[in-house]
Amino acid sequence: SQQGEEDPQALSIQEGENATMNCSYKTSINNLQWYRQNSGRGLVHLILIRSNEREKHSGRLRVTLDTSKKSSSLLITASRAADTASYFCATDASIQGAQKLVFGQGTRLTINP
Amino acid sequence: EPEVTQTPSHQVTQMGQEVILRCVPISNHLYFYWYRQILGQKVEFLVSFYNNEISEKSEIFDDQFSVERPDGSNFTLKIRSTKLEDSAMYFCASSSGTVGEQFFGPGTRLTVL
Repeated sequence: SQQGEEDPQALSIQEGENATMNCSYKTSINNLQWYRQNSGRGLVHLILIRSNEREKHSGRLRVTLDTSKKSSSLLITASRAADTASYFCATDASIQGAQKLVFGQGTRLTINP
Repeated sequence: EPEVTQTPSHQVTQMGQEVILRCVPISNHLYFYWYRQILGQKVEFLVSFYNNEISEKSEIFDDQFSVERPDGSNFTLKIRSTKLEDSAMYFCASSSGTVGEQFFGPGTRLTVL
């Protein structure tokens, strides 16, 4: 079944460093999205990359997509303590009608001051 | 900024009881979703809803579950005869179209005793 899997499962870095998280999936997709979740809170949409795009930027975020390898990466540059959260990739492969997002297990990112 | 709201934030119920989780999607959105996240696990798709009917549902969404849009603003998830394993965070989401960002609510933490 289609599945997004992130690695690493946990990442701890110093404030100011860059953080890279990876996501792999199994089937063809329409788009891939990254979400952030602070502990015990809801999901916040970060960025969406369509299947015909290879790279996208939003502020300190950079997302790449390699459909031949069925993988994506999320880079957060110049990390801040407030970036501490769990990050999930979610793939959408719905054929028609409403989206059905399939989430990965997530990467728990800790930014140390 | 418009947001998805959910009530209650925390619901405690006895096994076998029925619960109704409530959501108010963003007002001009047409597509509605329920997801759940068991503690420490990934976010799982339950159901999508459009034009007053279920668009797609997952294997989790069996006869124990139902959704309804009783009026122009609310979107509810009913869980009949709750089981211990129904304990989870339940997230409502909405979107304006079939492609793009889903906006998530803060979640309802359901605890079944």
